[in-house]
Amino acid sequence: LAKTTQPISMDSYEGQEVNITCSHNNIATNDYITWYQQFPSQGPRFIIQGYKTKVTNEVASLFIPADRKSSTLSLPRVSLSDTAVYYCLVGDDKIIFGKGTRLHILP
Amino acid sequence: GAGVSQSPRYKVAKRGQDVALRCDPISGHVSLFWYQQALGQGPEFLTYFQNEAQLDKSGLPSDRFFAERPEGSVSTLKIQRTQQEDSAVYLCASSLVYGRVYTGELFFGEGSRLTVL
Repeated sequence: LAKTTQPISMDSYEGQEVNITCSHNNIATNDYITWYQQFPSQGPRFIIQGYKTKVTNEVASLFIPADRKSSTLSLPRVSLSDTAVYYCLVGDDKIIFGKGTRLHILP
Repeated sequence: GAGVSQSPRYKVAKRGQDVALRCDPISGHVSLFWYQQALGQGPEFLTYFQNEAQLDKSGLPSDRFFAERPEGSVSTLKIQRTQQEDSAVYLCASSLVYGRVYTGELFFGEGSRLTVL
């Protein structure tokens, strides 16, 4: 049973900031939130992980509200190469992937 | 190489044949996962190893699927008597973290694409 809900697809334009929100209403106290990116014909690649508040790395930011029932992946100034599927995962020994969000960046 | 290596990258099998897919994880990584990814879908969990111990095999779709990691490093996913519905990409991932895996990063291979005719 999927533990997360995220939009099936999103379109944006080059240079824009893209925010992808994931709902995880049943998140457990010990669960971390992790985002992966997958390009066609490749395995998923880790983007960012957080537990609460805000995490930032060289690729993205992750915003997590106090109730932790949702999280938002923020990609600054996207380019065509950011076109990919993005998966939101909530901590579990099996690391369950859902269907992800198919992000399409337009020129 | 430094990453997770999977072989073969592509495999075509006739229905009823047995196949074996190999995964070489990153050296020193304790945890190893196998996933099945159908076209247009997210990866589906198959099984999980911690060193040589198979701690969870609840995602294996039938008893035709078997995975092993006898020495705690290389792993093999074997599919017996392949069926058309087994056609998918099989992904292997490894992680350094011992125990509470979700606090660590999974490193994925490029996958093995199996086509069953």
